[in-house]
Amino acid sequence: DAKTTQPPSMDCAEGRAANLPCNHSTISGNEYVYWYRQIHSQGPQYIIHGLKNNETNEMASLIITEDRKSSTLILPHATLRDTAVYYCIVRAPGEGYALNFGKGTSLLVTP
Amino acid sequence: EAQVTQNPRYLITVTGKKLTVTCSQNMNHEYMSWYRQDPGLGLRQIYYSMNVEVTDKGDVPEGYKVSRKEKRNFPLILESPSPNQTSLYFCASSLVLTAPGYNEQFFGPGTRLTVL
Repeated sequence: DAKTTQPPSMDCAEGRAANLPCNHSTISGNEYVYWYRQIHSQGPQYIIHGLKNNETNEMASLIITEDRKSSTLILPHATLRDTAVYYCIVRAPGEGYALNFGKGTSLLVTP
Repeated sequence: EAQVTQNPRYLITVTGKKLTVTCSQNMNHEYMSWYRQDPGLGLRQIYYSMNVEVTDKGDVPEGYKVSRKEKRNFPLILESPSPNQTSLYFCASSLVLTAPGYNEQFFGPGTRLTVL
């Protein structure tokens, strides 16, 4: 069963912020939200993860709603190189290390 | 540079001809894993290993073997490949944590296999 729901595709203009939503309405208290991306047929790449607080790193920001039922990955200044499929994954520690990638959101950054 | 390498990157073979896809990581990671990626089916885990000499089946292990004799290497073996194993294969690795938390997984560049 899918734990997350993401829009299949999104567009973003280069230089603008890309906001990628993820719905995880059945998330439980100990489950983290992780984001990975896959640039065309390359190996997936870790972006960021969080539990309940907002998180920021050199790649992106992760905003998690107070009820934790949804989150948004923000790429503050999208570039053409950010064109990729973005995967939102929910998993608890102790559930093992296998990642259930789902279908993700295909982000197209346009000039 | 910290990385996961896979070889070969591309392979075309025929049904029944045994092949091995190698995976190596230079980060001293305990955990290693193989995934296959097919259109419409996403990435599915084939086998994984929590440490040397410790391997276990993932979601789609049929037709594959693995071994973990050294920490850095985790080869994927197809003893008798069939056309339904035509796919894009990824190896991944990460540290194994001793306390609750998260360590990112590092993925190799992929091996595109075609079985005729």
